[in-house]
Amino acid sequence: NAGVTQTPKFQVLKTGQSMTLQCAQDMNHNSMYWYRQDPGMGLRLIYYSASEGTTDKGEVPNGYNVSRLNKREFSLRLESAAPSQTSVYFCASRGGRERWQETQYFGPGTRLLVL
Amino acid sequence: GENVEQHPSTLSVQEGDSAVIKCTYSDSASNYFPWYKQELGKRPQLIIDIRSNVGEKKDQRIAVTLNKTAKHFSLHITETQPEDSAVYFCAAKWGSGGSNYKLTFGKGTLLTVNP
Repeated sequence: NAGVTQTPKFQVLKTGQSMTLQCAQDMNHNSMYWYRQDPGMGLRLIYYSASEGTTDKGEVPNGYNVSRLNKREFSLRLESAAPSQTSVYFCASRGGRERWQETQYFGPGTRLLVL
Repeated sequence: GENVEQHPSTLSVQEGDSAVIKCTYSDSASNYFPWYKQELGKRPQLIIDIRSNVGEKKDQRIAVTLNKTAKHFSLHITETQPEDSAVYFCAAKWGSGGSNYKLTFGKGTLLTVNP
């Protein structure tokens, strides 16, 4: 099993350009999450999908949109990139409602630089 | 929502010493508290977690304690080794229950173990 995978690994954008970050998991998990990580700020939740067909805003959703394409895939879209969106983006997934499935598993991250 | 405070932001110890990282949370309904380790350029990985029905959990050199009354929990690493050097994040679970599950992360502690 590959676990959680993300593409691309690194991307440089110009202000105003758009792009989609891709995330996929092969663990049959119900819930998926997008975080951004900035120096000294920890991991902040952008959007999450509790189950296939549902999405909800997290702590910092402005400037982003998401799509839960199917149970495996959860994409994050920047419609008009801004320098403030320069960050490392992590996708994560989680198994389900049972207590033993509370662990979130993270992907390797996408490093985004907006000039 | 949940607010998680983590201290200290940096911690330097000598190899073999113990390290303690402390976190406080605001939502008394939170019942799950994971700790993640993130090595430089890598993804966060779960190292230990604790649920609110226990006060302490230990896994080899790592232990976590929870004080629900005071709403704080701590990570203890004994006999530290250079490979323990990393950023450590605490987190607290919140949400309305079931699949509506989110984690709020602390801002991280950079642990340096000096040989």
